[in-house]
Amino acid sequence: GEDVEQSLFLSVREGDSSVINCTYTDSSSTYLYWYKQEPGAGLQLLTYIFSNMDMKQDQRLTVLLNKKDKHLSLRIADTQTGDSAIYFCAEIPFTGGGNKLTFGTGTQLKVEL
Amino acid sequence: SAVISQKPSRDICQRGTSLTIQCQVDSQVTMMFWYRQQPGQSLTLIATANQGSEATYESGFVIDKFPISRPNLTFSTLTVSNMSPEDSSIYLCSVEDSNYGYTFGSGTRLTVV
Repeated sequence: GEDVEQSLFLSVREGDSSVINCTYTDSSSTYLYWYKQEPGAGLQLLTYIFSNMDMKQDQRLTVLLNKKDKHLSLRIADTQTGDSAIYFCAEIPFTGGGNKLTFGTGTQLKVEL
Repeated sequence: SAVISQKPSRDICQRGTSLTIQCQVDSQVTMMFWYRQQPGQSLTLIATANQGSEATYESGFVIDKFPISRPNLTFSTLTVSNMSPEDSSIYLCSVEDSNYGYTFGSGTRLTVV
């Protein structure tokens, strides 16, 4: 079956913006999520977007949603070294019973000084 | 959001033995989810645990290998049985949060030798 796809790796300089991209599978997915996983830690919910929105901003985070292309992105403004982590997008496919998160492959963000 | 206490945080186990992982939630929840994250990989759903009924397993996961208990609305256990080195992974529990997200425990890092 299809996978939720992400670029594996992104490197940015401190203070620059980071953009992490995700292509999801089900155009009927109601909610789409971004999670952060720091080394040795569990998953932290960063933000989510409802499918009837095309943009959501929360402090340094901006989520853009293109339903036509099933494309989701997370922009982190003024990226800091503490943002270094793996970022996962996730969807709840309608075909999966309505409550099962399907995760992307994860993008490792490295912030350099 | 819900707070999940998961333990143990890590363990090193001998092949052929079993390990039981516990998750305690600070509020009552209907469904709890168990995920596996193999080294360098994304998260894969193992099963969904509802209180008062048998867990529902995803394709590729069976009850004999991953028995789950759900004795009440705030607690669940996952047992990894008859372990082999291929079971070395991070195991995470998760609950559906009222704020449209899913909260995760801090994970159990299992190494089988």
